[in-house]
Amino acid sequence: KAGVTQTPRYLIKTRGQQVTLSCSPISGHRSVSWYQQTPGQGLQFLFEYFSETQRNKGNFPGRFSGRQFSNSRSEMNVSTLELGDSALYLCASSLWGIDYEQYFGPGTRLTVT
Amino acid sequence: QKEVEQNSGPLSVPEGAIASLNCTYSDRGSQSFFWYRQYSGKSPELIMSIYSNGDKEDGRFTAQLNKASQYVSLLIRDSQPSDSATYLCAVNGDKIIFGKGTRLHILP
Repeated sequence: KAGVTQTPRYLIKTRGQQVTLSCSPISGHRSVSWYQQTPGQGLQFLFEYFSETQRNKGNFPGRFSGRQFSNSRSEMNVSTLELGDSALYLCASSLWGIDYEQYFGPGTRLTVT
Repeated sequence: QKEVEQNSGPLSVPEGAIASLNCTYSDRGSQSFFWYRQYSGKSPELIMSIYSNGDKEDGRFTAQLNKASQYVSLLIRDSQPSDSATYLCAVNGDKIIFGKGTRLHILP
């Protein structure tokens, strides 16, 4: 089975811009979760989508949003980028959700200048 | 503020020895627990999940869970240089929280 894929792998944006990241889960997985990883804060949960519905949400501002399509592919959007948004953004897929095993994609490295 | 604590390390272990990684958590309602391995520059890779008190073994890895004491540990037997990585503990209660990881260094 193919693993989780994320596009793009690297991205450079300017403060104030917006960005959209994409994630394709493992075939058959209905849950997609998004995480932000930084050296200072570690790996932090952004939100989880299951069957096109947001099921869980972490403690991030509303500038961070997401959606999931009927084929389980998911996108994450960050609006009005700030320097502090520079991070590795990871998505993870699971058959049943974050209560169960999750498999991470390779991540998107976002740099905000 | 619910927390997951791990010793940041580095933890240095001779090749062939047992590496013991520990994780404590604050949310008594947590129900699912995971260990991930992350090599430098790579994404986390699932090693094991554990849901009930006791030990769970998978090859060279054993996860141990004690909900009363609120800790979960990972033992790696016959440690290999390829086990050198950062190990992340994840705990899921009403939110999933990752520890900041323990860097493990296996000495050849």
